[in-house]
Formats: sequence, C-alpha cells, structure tokens
Amino acid sequence: DTGVSQDPRHKITKRGQNVTFRCDPISEHNRLYWYRQTLGQGPEFLTYFQNEAQLEKSRLLSDRFSAERPKGSFSTLEIQRTEQGDSAMYLCASSLAKGGAGSHEQYFGPGTRLTVT
Amino acid sequence: DQQVKQNSPSLSVQEGRISILNCDYTNSMFDYFLWYKKYPAEGPTFLISISSIKDKNEDGRFTVFLNKSAKHLSLHIVPSQPGDSAVYFCAASGGAQKLVFGQGTRLTINP
Repeated sequence: DTGVSQDPRHKITKRGQNVTFRCDPISEHNRLYWYRQTLGQGPEFLTYFQNEAQLEKSRLLSDRFSAERPKGSFSTLEIQRTEQGDSAMYLCASSLAKGGAGSHEQYFGPGTRLTVT
Repeated sequence: DQQVKQNSPSLSVQEGRISILNCDYTNSMFDYFLWYKKYPAEGPTFLISISSIKDKNEDGRFTVFLNKSAKHLSLHIVPSQPGDSAVYFCAASGGAQKLVFGQGTRLTINP
C-alpha cells in the first residue's frame, strides 16, 4: 500500500499532557500538509512542508503546536500541554511539486482522532 | 471569514437520479478547485478537480462545473448510486499550496 499513513489512529489523553502524531506521506511526494477537522466543519490548514522546509504555518497553530519533517520523508506533529479544545481529527496529506509548480491534488491519510479529557 | 461555503448541510437523492452539490467562494485569487468525498472514520478521498481556466471537467459519472463570474461551482453525479452516500467537501487553492475547504454536504442516496 503506497498511500498516506498516520499513527496512531486514535489517541485519548488527559488535559495538560503532550501528544505526538506521525505521518508517512506517499513515497515520491515532496510536499506534506497537516490539517485539523472538528465536527461539522471542513478540514482547516495548519502547516505544510516542502521536503524538510516548513514553508507556511496557520495562525491556528499556537506555540503549543510544533511540526517537523527532519529528513523530508515522514513528519511529526506535537501538541504540548493539551487542552480540551484540541480535541479534533488531525489529517495529513501529501502532494508532488515539480520544478517549483505545485500539484493541487492532495492525498489524505486516515487521520488521527485526538480526544482530550 | 468563510472563503469557501457549502450552504446545504445535507442532500437526499433517489438512486439513479442526478445529485447536484453546490459550492460558493469569495476569494478571486483561487485558481484551482477540488471535490473530496469522505466516509466516516476515513480521510477525505480526492474525487475530481477543475482549473480556473476551464468551466467544465468530466470524469465518468462525475462532472464539475465552474462559473467564475458567479464564484460558484457544482458537482454533478449521474446516475447516483448507494455507494455515493458520503460527505462531500469542496476545496479551493491558490498557487498550489494549502487547500481551503467548505463545511461539507452530506449526500444520502435512497434506494
């Protein structure tokens, strides 16, 4: 299977704890995106990488959130000191950008559902 | 501000008939539009897309229409099948970067 994978699929944590999610993109894709989706809403952009460089961060991404893509392959999203408002589905997507031109089609993983109690 | 809007939270269509899902946008800098389908507990699945230089794109049972002057796009599914029951998201991008999504429309195909 060469699709986008995410781990874990579900995470329940207590308020104040730190959590880390992992995303493995489609192997030949050089762009990787993180989105967050809450009930009844569409996914909202958080941040994206081209190779290992983080090129854009949403203002939704507070300083408790950090994302990395150290070798331009998999990525991690860490949330420190979780709050109940962080409960959501965290989605990862990847795409292929060639020669400076991006591919508009992004392919999504199954998501990680975070519940903060 | 909601730059991409899907004003119908739900739509019910009889099997075999046409399903039409609508989407409006406000940002004239968007140059590419996409439709995604989402089943429960899964990530969105890419369905079909259209560039702003076109007004129609067709792929099998799915056709997307773009009306730039009205900042409106629609997805037509003909004929509708039970497996089409899902939540459909409209998304837009400018410069092949982040996607901006609408709130989604839940489509139910009735036998």
